[in-house]
Amino acid sequence: GQQVMQIPQYQHVQEGEDFTTYCNSSTTLSNIQWYKQRPGGHPVFLIQLVKSGEVKKQKRLTFQFGEAKKNSSLHITATQTTDVGTYFCAGRYSGAGSYQLTFGKGTKLSVIP
Amino acid sequence: EAGVAQSPRYKIIEKRQSVAFWCNPISGHATLYWYQQILGQGPKLLIQFQNNGVVDDSQLPKDRFSAERLKGVDSTLKIQPAKLEDSAVYLCASRQRDSSGNTIYFGEGSWLTVV
Repeated sequence: GQQVMQIPQYQHVQEGEDFTTYCNSSTTLSNIQWYKQRPGGHPVFLIQLVKSGEVKKQKRLTFQFGEAKKNSSLHITATQTTDVGTYFCAGRYSGAGSYQLTFGKGTKLSVIP
Repeated sequence: EAGVAQSPRYKIIEKRQSVAFWCNPISGHATLYWYQQILGQGPKLLIQFQNNGVVDDSQLPKDRFSAERLKGVDSTLKIQPAKLEDSAVYLCASRQRDSSGNTIYFGEGSWLTVV
């Protein structure tokens, strides 16, 4: 089946350092979404990328969608303790008749104050 | 606006017992999903409903799992009999039907422990 690979699985950073998580698919994605899940919480939608090469920013977060629409990244500048959580990418595959997302395994971010 | 409601929040059962989870999506959302999230992994889709019809249940273990959304609003997911590997969080999510409504909203989940 279609899979979305996400790396790294874990990342520990000092507060103020940058953080990046990467998402890869072997086949072209129709779009990709990013979610954040706090410890003990549920996934919360962050953003959706649709266009090839698209870049979107939300304050300290920068999201990119690759030119081939097979990969994506989330970069956080100057991490804060409030950024702690697991970040998931979720891809929708082209041609999928129904709106379904395939989630990566997530990157768990720990921020050391 | 009220979010996706789920109950119970927590459930502990013995293997071979049965359990049912309930979900009430955001009002007006035609699409409803049930996901299973095992600790340390991403959510895995179990079943998708569009109104009261099943769109995709290809990853639902049908020998023990069942789900329904009879009136196209709230939904129930049942596991019978439960196995140890069913221990997970069961997330319900909903989405608007129109093309601009691509955001999926998750409920807080029902945490199941099978002992």
